[in-house]
Amino acid sequence: NAGVTQTPKFQVLKTGQSMTLQCAQDMNHNSMYWYRQDPGMGLRLIYYSASEGTTDKGEVPNGYNVSRLNKREFSLRLESAAPSQTSVYFCASHIEPTSAAWGIRLFFGSGTQLSVL
Amino acid sequence: GIQVEQSPPDLILQEGANSTLRCNFSDSVNNLQWFHQNPWGQLINLFYIPSGTKQNGRLSATTVATERYSLLYISSSQTTDSGVYFCAVRPLYGNNRLAFGKGNQVVVIP
Repeated sequence: NAGVTQTPKFQVLKTGQSMTLQCAQDMNHNSMYWYRQDPGMGLRLIYYSASEGTTDKGEVPNGYNVSRLNKREFSLRLESAAPSQTSVYFCASHIEPTSAAWGIRLFFGSGTQLSVL
Repeated sequence: GIQVEQSPPDLILQEGANSTLRCNFSDSVNNLQWFHQNPWGQLINLFYIPSGTKQNGRLSATTVATERYSLLYISSSQTTDSGVYFCAVRPLYGNNRLAFGKGNQVVVIP
C-alpha cells in the first residue's frame, strides 16, 4: 500500500496562474484533509471532506477550491495563485471511528512545496 | 475554536540529554496526537494519547485530560530526533477537526 500520495512534490507558479494539487489514498479512509504549513504557523486546515461528495471549509479556505472526486481522491485547486499562497501543502486522511470514544490516526502525504512568484 | 499552545517553541539539545515538550489545550478533547516532522518534511504519527501514558522506545507521552495538557518526553536524545514535534487535538464539542499547535522545533547536536 502506498498510503497517501500527493503530486506534484514541487511547483513554481507565476501570480495569476492556476493549478491543481492531487491527493489519493488507498486505505479506504472516509475523511480527507488539505493543510498548509507556513514557518512558525504550524499546520492550518484549508478544507476537509468527511466523506465522498461532501466538503467543508477549514481555517484558511480563501483562494482555494476542492473536489472529492471519489472516496480515494481529494484535489485542491488554486484558480488564481497569489504570492501569499507560497507554502508547503499536505494532504491527510483517516478513517472515521464508529464511536466517539475511539481516536483517529491521521496519515499524511509527503507534501507539495509551492512557490508563487 | 480550541487553542493549542506548545512550549518551548525551540530547543537545542546535546546528544544524550533528556527533554520534555508540553502541549496545552483550551477545551475538552476526545483525541490527542503527537507527530514528528523530520528535517525532510515528512510527518509521522508518534502517539495517539487522549489520556494516560504511553511509551515507545525512548519516547513517552502523558496526557492529563482533566488539566488540559500533554507532555512528550524524549530520553537519551539522538540526532535523528531533530525536527518539529506537533501536538494535535480534536475537541469533544463543536467541530470535529484536528487543531494543531505551532510545534516544538528540536535540534539535537552531536
